[in-house]
Amino acid sequence: EVQLVESGGGLVKPGGSLRVSCAASGFTFGSYIMNWVRQAPGKGLEWVSSISRTGDYMYYADSVKGRFTISRDNAKNSLSLQMNSLRAEDTGVYYCARDGTFDYWGQGTLVTVSS
Amino acid sequence: AIQMTQSPSSLSASVGDRVTLTCRASQDISDDLAWYQQKPGKAPKFLIFAASSLQSGVPARFSGSGSGTDFTLTISSLQPEDFATYYCLQNHDYPLTFGQGTKVEIK
Repeated sequence: EVQLVESGGGLVKPGGSLRVSCAASGFTFGSYIMNWVRQAPGKGLEWVSSISRTGDYMYYADSVKGRFTISRDNAKNSLSLQMNSLRAEDTGVYYCARDGTFDYWGQGTLVTVSS
Repeated sequence: AIQMTQSPSSLSASVGDRVTLTCRASQDISDDLAWYQQKPGKAPKFLIFAASSLQSGVPARFSGSGSGTDFTLTISSLQPEDFATYYCLQNHDYPLTFGQGTKVEIK
């Protein structure tokens, strides 16, 4: 059974940093593109970042480019998102999702940026 | 960036109704479109890929069509568990973009 479990969310002050992670199981992690998607409270889905199977290629939304870094560890079946210079508008639930089709999603982890 | 526009933003319908949701891309995306269903407090659920291919396990009352710039998601006979918000996603080119969603409510 495919499982994606996010962790690392929490409350952080504007300008601060946070790292969220996604533990994957039930599939060959290194065979899939992986993604981060976020959802601000009461709002729609926003694609944040994607990483290629080997980690050689990373893609970012303009809203996070230069502040967020996606990475993966295929030996540990793990995906991460390092978030720096956080802003209030980065507040939301962060989901990891598998593949270019986003076929499986985790339950999400809440990131709150507030003073 | 490719803009995805869904219409309507919301609709009210009854159980048994046939419902059609629309997603329009700002440029040609071939059939690189997926649909998701999201219920409050839950992660999105994958419904359709490549514009018209039904994900395994998704009820056959859901269908997708379209290519290029205009796409539709149709629910042939709305069931109580189908009341939710539906999103389209273009995975044709980065940056990937979701539509703003269509909320399907009970009439």
